[in-house]
Amino acid sequence: GAVVSQHPSWVICKSGTSVKIECRSLDFQATTMFWYRQFPKQSLMLMATSNEGSKATYEQGVEKDKFLINHASLTLSTLTVTSAHPEDSSFYICSASSPRIYGYTFGSGTRLTVV
Amino acid sequence: TQLLEQSPQFLSIQEGENLTVYCNSSSVFSSLQWYRQEPGEGPVLLVTVVTGGEVKKLKRLTFQFGDARKDSSLHITAAQPGDTGLYLCAGALDPTSYGKLTFGQGTILTVHP
Repeated sequence: GAVVSQHPSWVICKSGTSVKIECRSLDFQATTMFWYRQFPKQSLMLMATSNEGSKATYEQGVEKDKFLINHASLTLSTLTVTSAHPEDSSFYICSASSPRIYGYTFGSGTRLTVV
Repeated sequence: TQLLEQSPQFLSIQEGENLTVYCNSSSVFSSLQWYRQEPGEGPVLLVTVVTGGEVKKLKRLTFQFGDARKDSSLHITAAQPGDTGLYLCAGALDPTSYGKLTFGQGTILTVHP
């Protein structure tokens, strides 16, 4: 089946630093990747949609200069949280879609803690 | 306003009981998916329904897509502690390009032994 690998699983960083999260589709080419944010015991909130080779489309209220998304290849998308602050602490999840897999596959998530 | 209303948001039941989770919308979805998520992990797909009126069964779980493709339900028979988790419905509005999913608020299910 389709597998999406997300790395790291958890990260602790100091306030003001930047953190990069990777999302890789292991056995298929993902035409589109999505980045979500999730607070404890809540649903997923879509942050942005990225297509390979083009700029990401951000949801309303999401700062594109703070959450940098790069989708340089059909198997890799990265989310960089720049100048992180404690309020950016959250669970970040990526998913990938492709007509070949007929659906969406989610990564295992990254727990970001900013101290 | 939430495009996809999921209810209830919390459900605490005893082992052996039945339960139903609902997802409702005023929008028509090309497909609707149900996921289960454990703490600290990504959502895992349970089922995708695409045809109005469709019913799918997965062991003790029964999924139904409304005739008008605006609503869906998940019914669990004889719930077990292993069913505990966050259940999410998510709908796709775009039928052609596997665009973004719209998620419901989620249902936290706790099944007590």
